Amino acid sequence: ETGVTQSPTHLIKTRGQQVTLRCSSQSGHNTVSWYQQALGQGPQFIFQYYREEENGRGNFPPRFSGLQFPNYSSELNVNALELDDSALYLCASSWTSGLSYNEQFFGPGTRLTVL
Amino acid sequence: SQKIEQNSEALNIQEGKTATLTCNYTNYSPAYLQWYRQDPGRGPVFLLLIRENEKEKRKERLKVTFDTTLKQSLFHITASQPADSATYLCALPNAGNNRKLIWGLGTSLAVNP
Repeated sequence: ETGVTQSPTHLIKTRGQQVTLRCSSQSGHNTVSWYQQALGQGPQFIFQYYREEENGRGNFPPRFSGLQFPNYSSELNVNALELDDSALYLCASSWTSGLSYNEQFFGPGTRLTVL
Repeated sequence: SQKIEQNSEALNIQEGKTATLTCNYTNYSPAYLQWYRQDPGRGPVFLLLIRENEKEKRKERLKVTFDTTLKQSLFHITASQPADSATYLCALPNAGNNRKLIWGLGTSLAVNP
């Protein structure tokens, strides 16, 4: 069983730039959620993808967008980066079915710094 | 709106003692509640899930209770070890979309040898 992987591990960008973060889901999982976690805070839900469709979104502006691919891997894109976007970005995969309770399996995260 | 509160102050205990962490929630009745462990700079790791019709759940040295009247969950680590030192997060499904999890800020636990 392969765990959740994310790339890159660290990234430094400047204000106004665009960034793409990548995630490979755990084998057998069909759902990916993305979170933003600032220092000392809990994860904040950005959005979730299930079968390549967005399946819920948190309070993030449209410049945060995503994709899920047929192999269930996923991308998070952030346009027009702002200083406040500096955070740990976490990808979590899970299995969605009628009986599942949404246990999330997280990757190691991507640390994004915006200068 | 939904709120989750966890002990904001770090918890320091001696090795071998029982650590008890609290998660309180308001404004709705979740179908389940989850607990995760997070080490610095890493993603959270799922520990336990407890459903609304379960009062208590155990896994090795871990025990979780769920009091839907008090709107509170307690997370216990018995016979604590320095390796248990981490931040512990509770998470609940969002009332409007149960696929979206709402997270507490976490409680930092330090187990001293």
